[in-house]
This record gives sequence, C-alpha cells and structure tokens, in this order.
Amino acid sequence: KAGVTQTPRYLIKTRGQQVTLSCSPISGHRSVSWYQQTPGQGLQFLFEYFSETQRNKGNFPGRFSGRQFSNSRSEMNVSTLELGDSALYLCASSQDVNTEAFFGQGTRLTVV
Amino acid sequence: DAKTTQPPSMDCAEGRAANLPCNHSTISGNEYVYWYRQIHSQGPQYIIHGLKNNETNEMASLIITEDRKSSTLILPHATLRDTAVYYCIVRVDRSNFGNEKLTFGTGTRLTIIP
Repeated sequence: KAGVTQTPRYLIKTRGQQVTLSCSPISGHRSVSWYQQTPGQGLQFLFEYFSETQRNKGNFPGRFSGRQFSNSRSEMNVSTLELGDSALYLCASSQDVNTEAFFGQGTRLTVV
Repeated sequence: DAKTTQPPSMDCAEGRAANLPCNHSTISGNEYVYWYRQIHSQGPQYIIHGLKNNETNEMASLIITEDRKSSTLILPHATLRDTAVYYCIVRVDRSNFGNEKLTFGTGTRLTIIP
C-alpha cells in the first residue's frame, strides 16, 4: 500500500508569507505527527493529531499550527515566515497508539 | 521520555556486521527502545523496537541488556545502502496516553566502507 505522501516536496517562500503543507497518511492510520528538521536543531517534534484532535504539541511558537481532517489527512500552516523556518518538514503516520511511525519524504521549505 | 546517548559516527566494512550502541541509563520500566534511520534527504525509516527481550526482523536485530540501560542494533551484513544516520529513541508505552511524540537525539552517522 502507498506510504506517507507529503506535498509539495519543495517550496520557496519569502519572509512574511504564510505556507500550508499537506500530509496524506498511510491508509487506515489515524495518528499524524509533524516534525521540523534543521542542521542546527536536528529533528524536533511539532505536534500530533489523532482523530482530528491535537493530542500533543512541541515547543514552537503559535505561528505554527495544524489540523487533521476526517479522512486523517493533515495540514500544517506556518504564518509570517522567518528565515529560520527554512527546514525539512516531516510528517509521520501510525495506525494507533504504541505502534511504529512511518515517515514521508518531507517538504523542504526555503524562506528567502 | 528518557534521553539516549549514541556515538556520533562509526565506520563498518561492507559485508560485515554493524553494531550500533545506545545508552539509555534513565529508561523507565514502561519505555520501549526504538531504532530509526535516516538516509540523506529522506524521511526517517523505522527499523525495529523492543521492551526487554531481544528482537529480530528482516532488517536488523536488537539486543537489550538485562538491566535495560543500554542496547545494540545489529545490521548483520552491512551494505553500502545502510549508510545513514541511526537514531535510538526511548518512548513510553502509549497504550494509555496516545502520545506519538518521538524525541530524536543526534544519532550515529554510520558509514559503510566498500
């Protein structure tokens, strides 16, 4: 079956703009998490959604937000982009609690 | 979740077994040990996980010490495609919490030498 799909794969935005990234989990998976990866900070947890509810949130400013739809697809939004938001944004899905997470290929966001 | 300590880098000859250590001395009784790897510019890939018994799957074996304070991931016959950053993560049993958060450290950069 298809893996986790993230769109777009690459994105260039300018400071002050906003961006929306999309994640389609593996069919049947209800949990979707988002991570930010930068060379300096490594992989950092953003938030996790399960059945359209945000269950956990990492230590990121309110400019970072997300949501999950009834079909488990998820989006994350970053408003008022800053240069430091340039990163690889990864989405992971899992079937249920305490099961392994499967990651997508990520969206590489460049803010100029 | 408990923190983990891994060597920053390791080399292994192609065809040999790669043994990647991980220390998790503050692990709690309900925390599992998970291993992921990330090949350059790709998303992390799940490898294996365990609680206290040794585990084996088609990719690797996981050996957890009896006191659970450390573990070793073994890739039995390393190939060039196993060159990646390997992350050891400990995570609480979420059957009652439903928390998907994974805390990644800096991992071990494994280089397979031809």
